[in-house]
Amino acid sequence: AQSVTQLDSHVSVSEGTPVLLRCNYSSSYSPSLFWYVQHPNKGLQLLLKYTSAATLVKGINGFEAEFKKSETSFHLTKPSAHMSDAAEYFCVVSRTGNQFYFGTGTSLTVIP
Amino acid sequence: EPEVTQTPSHQVTQMGQEVILRCVPISNHLYFYWYRQILGQKVEFLVSFYNNEISEKSEIFDDQFSVERPDGSNFTLKIRSTKLEDSAMYFCASTGTGGGSYNSPLHFGNGTRLTVT
Repeated sequence: AQSVTQLDSHVSVSEGTPVLLRCNYSSSYSPSLFWYVQHPNKGLQLLLKYTSAATLVKGINGFEAEFKKSETSFHLTKPSAHMSDAAEYFCVVSRTGNQFYFGTGTSLTVIP
Repeated sequence: EPEVTQTPSHQVTQMGQEVILRCVPISNHLYFYWYRQILGQKVEFLVSFYNNEISEKSEIFDDQFSVERPDGSNFTLKIRSTKLEDSAMYFCASTGTGGGSYNSPLHFGNGTRLTVT
């Protein structure tokens, strides 16, 4: 069975400081992992994806995520938060390519 | 870049009425999905569709819901008799994955906000 856990429902950081959004997954097989961002009243936009190539994945807007199999984690990071990063972030896991499992989301607040 | 489009962006309907939410997936994609998000809550899977039939559905997707791909481009979600609790944002998504590959992410539309009064 597949599942994904986002460990923090809310994260608050100051502008210019690092961002860490945590995601752990469980999967019987090598998964594909994705991070999506949802700005208020908008759809879901793909930030980055891991598909068994490099374990450190770079995405849009300066975000990165590292796949750590030993820790079953896929945490999302950014060195320096910007006000425009304030949004909801979803970690998603897929195994077969047509079944996608969403985490419950992490709301990121950026304090000026 | 091709994108998933959804219409309308906002739909208001009275309880008990039928609604049809429309989506045009990316043209060469093979799998199509509906998700919903009740205000302030998580994204919930409703149904996936492949090869002109439902491949998986959640417990939310009861007999009041149906999906159709009537003309090879549109993908619709119908709710036969809406309830207050159907009020949510409904997202359509598609992916190009086929043949067991799992590199393709979901591509989402901007959603239809359904308000049932």
